[in-house]
Amino acid sequence: AQSVTQPDIHITVSEGASLELRCNYSYGATPYLFWYVQSPGQGLQLLLKYFSGDTLVQGIKGFEAEFKRSQSSFNLRKPSVHWSDAAEYFCAVGARNNNDMRFGAGTRLTVKP
Amino acid sequence: DVKVTQSSRYLVKRTGEKVFLECVQDMDHENMFWYRQDPGLGLRLIYFSYDVKMKEKGDIPEGYSVSREKKERFSLILESASTNQTSMYLCASSFARLGGAETQYFGPGTRLLVL
Repeated sequence: AQSVTQPDIHITVSEGASLELRCNYSYGATPYLFWYVQSPGQGLQLLLKYFSGDTLVQGIKGFEAEFKRSQSSFNLRKPSVHWSDAAEYFCAVGARNNNDMRFGAGTRLTVKP
Repeated sequence: DVKVTQSSRYLVKRTGEKVFLECVQDMDHENMFWYRQDPGLGLRLIYFSYDVKMKEKGDIPEGYSVSREKKERFSLILESASTNQTSMYLCASSFARLGGAETQYFGPGTRLLVL
């Protein structure tokens, strides 16, 4: 079965600074990859996903992620963070032959004024 | 827009009680899922259903059961609540896609406290 590692439990960045959240996956083939965001007290919202094609994926709220097969990574980036981006971010990997999806433990983002 | 609703945002129950958590989706999705979310552990799959009256165990089904009598509704049942089931419970739904996992849409979650 696939698995996901988010190495950073908590990240703090200043408003306006760039952001990169790391995600590493383990899967025997090219996976489906997702990033979700969870605001306090809310469910998860999809930011972006990769199924195939261009390895640089654009999402909502100015986020992008790059699939790097050689590094088994799918890192999330944003060039300039806004205070409203403070939330928890989850990376997920989905199987190509069934409905199975595995989530990372999450990275909590704090934005300093 | 896909909408997934959960019957309660907060619940407080006593040890040994039978607890029902309900989830309803309005997008005619075939698949529905129940997860629990705990700090540092991310989301762990309890059960999922790919059709009415069909269910599959996830990673942590012990102490839980589910019911799906209608396509839009998926219920999670704690047969005899215990304190270690205090958690955030998230419901999700997705289309069934041949060839793999599809985007899941989540409800707002139910925070359950078992005393």
